[in-house]
Formats: sequence, C-alpha cells, structure tokens
Amino acid sequence: EPEVTQTPSHQVTQMGQEVILRCVPISNHLYFYWYRQILGQKVEFLVSFYNNEISEKSEIFDDQFSVERPDGSNFTLKIRSTKLEDSAMYFCASRGRLRDSYEQYFGPGTRLTVT
Amino acid sequence: SQQGEEDPQALSIQEGENATMNCSYKTSINNLQWYRQNSGRGLVHLILIRSNEREKHSGRLRVTLDTSKKSSSLLITASRAADTASYFCATPYVISYGKLTFGQGTILTVHP
Repeated sequence: EPEVTQTPSHQVTQMGQEVILRCVPISNHLYFYWYRQILGQKVEFLVSFYNNEISEKSEIFDDQFSVERPDGSNFTLKIRSTKLEDSAMYFCASRGRLRDSYEQYFGPGTRLTVT
Repeated sequence: SQQGEEDPQALSIQEGENATMNCSYKTSINNLQWYRQNSGRGLVHLILIRSNEREKHSGRLRVTLDTSKKSSSLLITASRAADTASYFCATPYVISYGKLTFGQGTILTVHP
C-alpha cells in the first residue's frame, strides 16, 4: 500500500542553523501539507501546497519557513534559522486527486530538536 | 479556533470493553475525520463522516455525527491492547484547500 515517507526521522540542530525536512508524498496525490506537533500539544497546520504553489499558510509559517516541490516527487520544508521553539515533530501529509477525497495520509514524522 | 474540546482527555479500560470518545467543533463542516496516533508516531486516518451522514461503521469503529450539536463520537468496540493510542478528531475548513484543525485528543489505554 502506498505511504508517505519522511526523512530524517530525527534531526538535531543548533539554534540559528538551517534545516531541510524531506517528504515523499503518495505519488498520484495533488495536495500536500506540513503540520507540526510540539510535545504534549495539538497537531497544528503549517502550510498547504497545491499546483506548485502555497495555497494556505498559518501564522506560524513566517518568513523563516519555505516549502518546495523540486522534482515532482519530493516535498520539502525548510526552516532558515531555527529557534528553540521550533523543536517539534513535523508531519507531512498528502491528499488524493479527487476534489472530494478529504482523507489525508500522514508520514511518520521528523522529530526536530533545536539546541 | 474551529475545534473544540475532546473528552475525555484520557480513558483507561480493560481489553474487551468498549471505548467512547467525544469531540466538539465550532463552525460549519462538510466532513469530520478521526485519526489515531501511536506514541511518537504519525497519524493514521481511521474514518471520515460527511455532514449529511449521522452514523458510519468501519470494522470495530462506529462514528456518529450530530451537526445540530456540533459534536461527534467515536466508539471502539471489543477493544484490544493494540488500540492503545491517542485519538483525534479533525475538521477541515469548509473554504480551504483542506487544512485540518485537530482537537487535543483522547489518550486511550487498553489494559490486557
């Protein structure tokens, strides 16, 4: 069964460094998302991506964040200059081709630790 | 915030018992989804119920939706130790590209 994959599973970085989190969505999906979950808190929406551009973003998704789909299969989230408060699990998700297929399929997550 | 609270926050039962979790939301929806998260892992989609449906079944799962009360419940029948996880309801914004708003979740522990 197709699944969303994410790499790395755990990333440790120093404050101020840039990180790139990678995701491979399900191949025939058209809608892509990043969410994050700070330890013990709710899963929060960051950004959605459709037709090669950002379709929506939350107020968390400021200028330090960017997303790309560089080659038609990978979907990346870049944090330009990490802060301590960026430490969280980051989940990528994708959603099918049909406009009314609402289920999202999540990857296993990348645990980002900023020290 | 579109999402209300889920209750209970934690539920502890014995294997074989049924588990019921509730979720409330605040705004109009066209569907409501339930997800499961095993500790430290990704979310797994369990079931989706559309706004024009009142009840839906999938295996041992039964979901109800009451749009007049803006609430939903998830019932897991004949629970197993492997059902131990956090359960979240999620609602997509009606006018959006499908971003989901999650509740705080219910932590379910099923004792063998």
